[in-house]
Amino acid sequence: QLQLQESGPQLVKPSETLSLTCAVSGVSISSTDYYWAWIRQAPGKGLEWIGTLSSAGTSYYNSSLKSRVTMSPDTSKNHFSLRLTSVTAADTATYYCARAPLRLQGLEWLLPDHFDFWGQGTLVTVSS
Amino acid sequence: EILLTQSPAILSVSPGERATLSCRASQTISNHLTWYQQKPGQAPRLLIYNTSSRATGTPARFSGSGSGTDFTLTISSLEPEDFAVYYCQQRSNWPLFTFGPGTKLDVK
Repeated sequence: QLQLQESGPQLVKPSETLSLTCAVSGVSISSTDYYWAWIRQAPGKGLEWIGTLSSAGTSYYNSSLKSRVTMSPDTSKNHFSLRLTSVTAADTATYYCARAPLRLQGLEWLLPDHFDFWGQGTLVTVSS
Repeated sequence: EILLTQSPAILSVSPGERATLSCRASQTISNHLTWYQQKPGQAPRLLIYNTSSRATGTPARFSGSGSGTDFTLTISSLEPEDFAVYYCQQRSNWPLFTFGPGTKLDVK
C-alpha cells in the first residue's frame, strides 16, 4: 500500500533552514514510472508547487523559490528531502509531498502533469 | 508564466443539484489540466487529470471538460461529501506546475 509521510521540525526560526523528509513506502522512488514533488499551502491559502524530483535525481524548482530550495533523493532509505534556506514568516505553511506519475499516451510516455497521491502534510511555522 | 483563475470563488448549491466550476488559463494550454478536491484538514485528492480522465475512485458524477483556455468541472448531482474546495492545476510548460486559487463549494 502506497504511503507518503512527511516529517521534520514543526517550528523553524527566521533566517534558518527548513528541512523536511518524505518517507515513501509501497513503491521505490527510483521507479522510472514516477517523479516526486513538494507542494505547500499557507494557512487559509491555496496550493503552491515548490519543486519536482525525477527518478534519476534531477530536480526542477519554482522560480520564485529556486535560489533557496534544494530537493534530493535518498534511495537507500526510499525517501526524498526538501531544504529551504533563509526562511521567513511567509514560508509558514503545510508542506505536502506527492507522487507525480508519468503517463503513457499512445506510444509516448509523457512527463508528469499531475499529482496522484499526496502525503497528509506537515505544518511548519516560522517564528522566533 | 501561465496563470489560472477559478470562478466563482464560492459556489452555493443544494445537495442533489448540479455544480459547475470554471478554470481559465491566461494562455492556451494543452490538455494538461487537473482537478483536485480538498476537505478541511486533509490533503488534496486527485479527481480529474488530462482534462477529462477520472482518477481511480472518482465517482462518475464528476466530469471534466474544456480546451484552450477554458475548462470546467461538473458535478452532476451533489452528494453531502462533495462540499469542499476544488483546485485546478496545469502543467503546460514543463517543468512548471501552477494551481488556481480554488473554488469553495458550499451547501445552499
